[in-house]
Amino acid sequence: DIQMTQSPSTLSASVGDRVTITCRASQSINIWLAWYQQKPGKAPNLLIYKASSLESGVPSRFSGSGSGTEFTLTISSLQPDDFAAYYCQQYNSFPRTFGQGTKVEIK
Amino acid sequence: EVQLVESGGGLVQPGGSLRLSCAASGFTFNSFEVNWVRQAPGKGLEWVSHISSSGTTIYYADSVKGRFTISRDNAKNSLYLQMNSLRAEDTAVYYCARKFGYFDLWGRGTLVTVSS
Repeated sequence: DIQMTQSPSTLSASVGDRVTITCRASQSINIWLAWYQQKPGKAPNLLIYKASSLESGVPSRFSGSGSGTEFTLTISSLQPDDFAAYYCQQYNSFPRTFGQGTKVEIK
Repeated sequence: EVQLVESGGGLVQPGGSLRLSCAASGFTFNSFEVNWVRQAPGKGLEWVSHISSSGTTIYYADSVKGRFTISRDNAKNSLYLQMNSLRAEDTAVYYCARKFGYFDLWGRGTLVTVSS
């Protein structure tokens, strides 16, 4: 199974900050990576797929990059609505696996 | 409206069974692969199972293999998860999620609690 490791686990930031979350795969997954945002009590929401493709309707302040084993999710200017948990997920192979999550908190 | 709606969750004793359902609407269900993903209380996301659009190709996480069975009825626009031999560690919110690789549409989830 491919292990996905996110860092940091928790991130404290202020509105307007540039935020970067890293996701590492235990083996190459090419560009088959997605990012999700999840707010408490809600289902996850797709932000990015194929490592850097922005899902329709997602604000352009979200961007993704990377290939192989190292990936990043960047929020260019953190907004109040962005305080949430973020998960990466690989879909290079089964079983699909998620990172453990990164919680973005208000500083 | 394009949506997935799960149902069937509840409280069940260890060793018991439960059948979850996911009703799809607003899109051509039989054109899409679908999955079950779960989330234990306060924990991260765990993929559980996948079924192809025709129902002929199925995958399971090792943690549920041999105990859970995924199925679909395209005539009823519905996805199912039959869960047998339930354990405390199966306690989670269960989501159905659309698509083969990444998941672009999720239901709101249904809570399964395994406890005596």
